Amino acid sequence: DTEVTQTPKHLVMGMTNKKSLKCEQHMGHRAMYWYKQKAKKPPELMFVYSYEKLSINESVPSRFSPECPNSSLLNLHLHALQPEDSALYLCASSQDPLAGDYNEQFFGPGTRLTVL
Amino acid sequence: AQKVTQAQTEISVVEKEDVTLDCVYETRDTTYYLFWYKQPPSGELVFLIRRNSFDEQNEISGRYSWNFQKSTSSFNFTITASQVVDSAVYFCALSKHRGSTLGRLYFGRGTQLTVWP
Repeated sequence: DTEVTQTPKHLVMGMTNKKSLKCEQHMGHRAMYWYKQKAKKPPELMFVYSYEKLSINESVPSRFSPECPNSSLLNLHLHALQPEDSALYLCASSQDPLAGDYNEQFFGPGTRLTVL
Repeated sequence: AQKVTQAQTEISVVEKEDVTLDCVYETRDTTYYLFWYKQPPSGELVFLIRRNSFDEQNEISGRYSWNFQKSTSSFNFTITASQVVDSAVYFCALSKHRGSTLGRLYFGRGTQLTVWP
């Protein structure tokens, strides 16, 4: 099973709302990632979790708060977002970034977020 | 610094034509990894291939083939006998083998391929 699932598929929220994006994988992967993708652009890395610890934060504003409750789950908590945060948010996982040989990332279908 | 260049922003072909997507990369590392991903209109990035820098063998998978040339820092992707279902944005990406940025993919800006029936 090489599947990464994300919920919800679509999300519309106001600037004062609090919402969460969820990501799940059951491949036994130990690294999980959040990306943001604007239209006609490549994905931009936001956060990397390695063995459930935050290892990379690409200077993301604090209105985005990641959480990794266990090795299969990754959440992205959203609060006081701006309209320019509207984008496709992609989650990915890879086997073990510390193993030496790098492993490919498998992506979920994404959440299309619209901030009004 | 790592950099990936996909000079072709958009390519249009008619079904059954062959098409090559170009990818040129820059890195000072001697060991690195190269990837191709496909992103159809649905949005999900689909992994196509990983190539290690020490393995310059070309690879063929069905209608897909990849040509890796370290001498020119290129990792080109050819689709033979293209089909409408191949229409998507294709991203080339590079990652480091080791270091503090392990896990980061450096993406090219993508090539939008449209295959017309």
